[in-house]
Amino acid sequence: DIQLTQSPISLSASVGDRVTFTCRASQSVNTYLNWYQHKPGKAPKLLIYGASSLQTGVPSRFRGSGSWTDFTLTISSLQPEDFGTYYCQQSYSTPRTFGPGTKVEIK
Amino acid sequence: QLQLQESGPGLVKPSETLSLTCTVSGGSITSPPFYWGWIRQPPGKGLEWIATFYYNGDTFYNPSLKSRLTISVDTSRNQFSLRLNSVTAADTAVFFCATYSVSSYAFDNWGQGAQVTVSS
Repeated sequence: DIQLTQSPISLSASVGDRVTFTCRASQSVNTYLNWYQHKPGKAPKLLIYGASSLQTGVPSRFRGSGSWTDFTLTISSLQPEDFGTYYCQQSYSTPRTFGPGTKVEIK
Repeated sequence: QLQLQESGPGLVKPSETLSLTCTVSGGSITSPPFYWGWIRQPPGKGLEWIATFYYNGDTFYNPSLKSRLTISVDTSRNQFSLRLNSVTAADTAVFFCATYSVSSYAFDNWGQGAQVTVSS
């Protein structure tokens, strides 16, 4: 199975900050790497697919990059509604796997 | 707009079978996106993929769950279901159903989730 690790585990930032978190795969996933935002009690939301493609309707402040084993999700200007946990997920091989998540809190 | 809603008993006894249904509205289960999935989140933990399947029966299972898992589709009711047998406390989780896009290779539309607790 491909293991995904994410860092940091959590972060606290202010509105307007640029925040970056990373996802590392235990082996190459090419660019079959997706990012989701999950808020408590809500449905997870797809933000980025294919490592860098913005899902329809997702604000342009979200940007994904990377390939092979190292990936980054950047929020260019953190907004109050961006709190939640962010998960990466690989679709390169079965079983599909998710990272442990990065929890984002707004100061 | 396509909407998914999970339903099922919130409490299951150990060694029994967990059953959940996902009802699809705003579209047909036999129309695009065609592929559907189940994902779960144990308390305090991350997301775990359970299975992805095509409405006509082609199914991809998480090997760690495959021996206990049954996925079925009811096209007449626009629903699909999950059955997990011989459950233990480790199966306690919020279960999500989702659509799987074969253009983005991602789960692009999710239900809000159903809490299932395994306890006597």
